[in-house]
Amino acid sequence: DQQVKQNSPSLSVQEGRISILNCDYTNSMFDYFLWYKKYPAEGPTFLISISSIKDKNEDGRFTVFLNKSAKHLSLHIVPSQPGDSAVYFCAASVSGGSNYKLTFGKGTLLTVNP
Amino acid sequence: DGGITQSPKYLFRKEGQNVTLSCEQNLNHDAMYWYRQDPGQGLRLIYYSQIVNDFQKGDIAEGYSVSREKKESFPLTVTSAQKNPTAFYLCASSMWDSESYGYTFGSGTRLTVV
Repeated sequence: DQQVKQNSPSLSVQEGRISILNCDYTNSMFDYFLWYKKYPAEGPTFLISISSIKDKNEDGRFTVFLNKSAKHLSLHIVPSQPGDSAVYFCAASVSGGSNYKLTFGKGTLLTVNP
Repeated sequence: DGGITQSPKYLFRKEGQNVTLSCEQNLNHDAMYWYRQDPGQGLRLIYYSQIVNDFQKGDIAEGYSVSREKKESFPLTVTSAQKNPTAFYLCASSMWDSESYGYTFGSGTRLTVV
């Protein structure tokens, strides 16, 4: 039973345009969400996060939107750059939980074409 | 510089042999984790530890064992009982407080069974 779903395995966009990566979750207890970026043969690096008390969080070119009623979040990258080409993982947790675990989606491979 | 180190980066093992992957962190993080990444499968949790001398099974613990004798170290042993050990293994650590949640990942170990 997959609690965090990234239904698009891949996405291709042109440099300078917007990239939108989507993530859905099924566990209504999740209240903290994160995005990680991963290059091949490297560990994921933290990108941006959002708490369920907010519906938007912005950091430079990256914005995450959270729609709690739809159990959906999205990551917007504007403008997209070739260096953004990587796999992006959505992750979720129960912030008050005792086990500190993150549940990850399967990832979306973003390719930004020059 | 604080960080999390995995070694070796590449590891080859013959069928029927046990092998141990190293993970060391100097971030003073309490919790540590082992994930496995396979193509199209995302990140799957093998084991995690919230405190020294204590650890719990994740979603795919069969064929793996861990120890947590020191706060800084969380080695993973891939035993001969693991049927499909060839994968990319990621170690992570985390400190959870009121201001931030999330993992710091190592750079990974690529294990190949030959």
